[in-house]
Amino acid sequence: SQQGEEDPQALSIQEGENATMNCSYKTSINNLQWYRQNSGRGLVHLILIRSNEREKHSGRLRVTLDTSKKSSSLLITASRAADTASYFCATVLYSGGGADGLTFGKGTHLIIQP
Amino acid sequence: SQTIHQWPATLVQPVGSPLSLECTVEGTSNPNLYWYRQAAGRGLQLLFYSVGIGQISSEVPQNLSASRPQDRQFILSSKKLLLSDSGFYLCAWSVYSNQPQHFGDGTRLSIL
Repeated sequence: SQQGEEDPQALSIQEGENATMNCSYKTSINNLQWYRQNSGRGLVHLILIRSNEREKHSGRLRVTLDTSKKSSSLLITASRAADTASYFCATVLYSGGGADGLTFGKGTHLIIQP
Repeated sequence: SQTIHQWPATLVQPVGSPLSLECTVEGTSNPNLYWYRQAAGRGLQLLFYSVGIGQISSEVPQNLSASRPQDRQFILSSKKLLLSDSGFYLCAWSVYSNQPQHFGDGTRLSIL
């Protein structure tokens, strides 16, 4: 079943503007991760935020996590054409045998207009 | 540094034919390995994961199977492909289950 849901599904902005994407999830998590996927390629890990963290930065990326609302946001500042991609949030599933793979949302398709 | 190789990049197969996709990881030992499928415009669906040689866990019932014959080799197979098996297949590895995953470039599988 789908755990994370990104919002919006698509976002188009001008180069230099900031882009904000949101993610909601359903169950308790150990951590939440954001990934980028360029068209036709594999996913690239961007940032991991633990359940006891509220905010994390990496270069032009800023991620927030609100466990009470089961939501996270990814902010890309000063966007560039190269940021055009799909962005996914992912959470870790747990089973009786230990942690399993990641559960991904459907992603936000970000287009940066030059 | 660690690298992950996945091949082939694209594959066109007739319905009912067998399938074998291979994934290998270099530069690390005893990685967790994963197979995902991505339908057009959708997120990734976890198909199989493995924490060691010969240890395979399946997330969803399907027409596919996976094997891990060596520490850093993960194979996705099918005896008879269905039209619904079309999609973008991605292999990934991680050091631990809740740590970042590193993906290959994927195989685009089209079933005719």
